[in-house]
Amino acid sequence: GAVVSQHPSRVICKSGTSVKIECRSLDFQATTMFWYRQFPKKSLMLMATSNEGSKATYEQGVEKDKFLINHASLTLSTLTVTSAHPEDSSFYICSARSTLLADTQYFGPGTRLTVL
Amino acid sequence: QKEVEQDPGPLSVPEGAIVSLNCTYSNSAFQYFMWYRQYSRKGPELLMYTYSSGNKEDGRFTAQVDKSSKYISLFIRDSQPSDSATYLCAMSAGSASKIIFGSGTRLSIRP
Repeated sequence: GAVVSQHPSRVICKSGTSVKIECRSLDFQATTMFWYRQFPKKSLMLMATSNEGSKATYEQGVEKDKFLINHASLTLSTLTVTSAHPEDSSFYICSARSTLLADTQYFGPGTRLTVL
Repeated sequence: QKEVEQDPGPLSVPEGAIVSLNCTYSNSAFQYFMWYRQYSRKGPELLMYTYSSGNKEDGRFTAQVDKSSKYISLFIRDSQPSDSATYLCAMSAGSASKIIFGSGTRLSIRP
C-alpha cells in the first residue's frame, strides 16, 4: 500500500514553455501533498506544501507565480512550471501524507525536467 | 543549528559489514522517526518508521531511537551492494507538524 505515482517521469521542453507534473496517491487519500526539488547529489529541498481545497504554502525563496500548485482532490496534486528556463532543470519529487496510515510521507518516483 | 543533523558521507564499507547511520536532533518534541532510502534518480522509499524511544527490527535493518540523547540510528547487517544508496532520516512531533528531513548520507557497499 501507500503508492504515489508521478507523471511524466521525464520531460524535455523548450525555454519559455510551461510544464505540468501530476502527483497521485493511488491507494490512499492524502490530506497533504508536498513538492520537492533536488539537484544532483544534493538533499531534498521543500518547495511547497498543499492541502486539498486550499492554497499552497510556499517555502521562502520559491516563486509561487512560477511554480503553480493545484491540489484538486485528496488523490491528485499538480505542479506547473510556468515559462520554464534552463535553470529550472531539476529533479522534482512529490510526496503525500496521510494521518490514517503511519503518519509519514510517501514519495513519488520523481520527474526529471530538462529545459533546453 | 539545524533541527536535524546528518553526516553526508560518503560512507564506503565492504560487503557483509555492519553499517551504522546516525542523526542527531535538537527538538525534544519529535516523537515519530523515519528512515528513507533513495537510489540515484529515484524518489525516497520509506524503510523504517518508529514512534518514541526503542528499537525496531525489519530483516537486516534495525532502527534505534534514544530520545534522551536526541540520537537515532539505522543499522544494516550483512550489507549488500544493492544497499548502496542515500539514506535520509526524518522526524516529526505529530500529525499536525512538519516532517523534518536530514540531508542524507551517501552509502556505498564495495563487493
